[in-house]
Amino acid sequence: SFALAQPPSVSVAPGQTAAITCAGDNLEYKTVHWYQQKPGQAPVLVISNDKDRPSGIPERFSGSISGNTATLTISRVEVGDEADYYCQVCQVWDTDSDPVTFGGGTKLTVL
Amino acid sequence: QVQLVQSGAEVKKPGSSVKVSCKCPGDTFNTYGIIWVRQARGQGLEWMGGIIPLFHSTIYAQVFEGRLTITADASTTTSYMELTNLRSEDTASYYCSRASLRGTSYQAADFWGQGTLITVSP
Repeated sequence: SFALAQPPSVSVAPGQTAAITCAGDNLEYKTVHWYQQKPGQAPVLVISNDKDRPSGIPERFSGSISGNTATLTISRVEVGDEADYYCQVCQVWDTDSDPVTFGGGTKLTVL
Repeated sequence: QVQLVQSGAEVKKPGSSVKVSCKCPGDTFNTYGIIWVRQARGQGLEWMGGIIPLFHSTIYAQVFEGRLTITADASTTTSYMELTNLRSEDTASYYCSRASLRGTSYQAADFWGQGTLITVSP
């Protein structure tokens, strides 16, 4: 079945750039979304359709895909960006895989 | 700001059932799907299933087949998630969210409910 792999943790100093990866088979042919979740809160959509930023999301957040890996890049990281980040893929349902899959999540620590 | 409002926390016995509600804005059911996601304490997000109210179509994660029912009441724009035969591993926060659609395929979930904590304990 289809699965997404994320690194468990990423650490970065304030002002630096954080890159959070999400790997899966044939990812470049699928659509990837990214969510930010802070402790005790519901997830927030930060990137949709590989690279689109919803209204209200800072330009510091960007998304890209190359081959089997999608990347969420956060530029000029702030302390307030510390959170768990999840990638998500939605695909046409088939008997082998669910139509919606989440990655395991990456904890971003701002040192 | 779009708000999805969920019902409150519940404590359930093993083997029982739980039904969580998700009140959606009035125009949601005409254009969006509703997906349900759960999260055990300290764990990641787990997709459970979804419903497209306009087409009355539902789909469930394979792991929940037979135990999960998602419905939508268009008269109240409320979605419901019912999970039966509860066990301790079902203790988690349960979220509903509004998902855009591409045809009948779910896409990004742009607004979420506040979450409902379900505790399964003897």
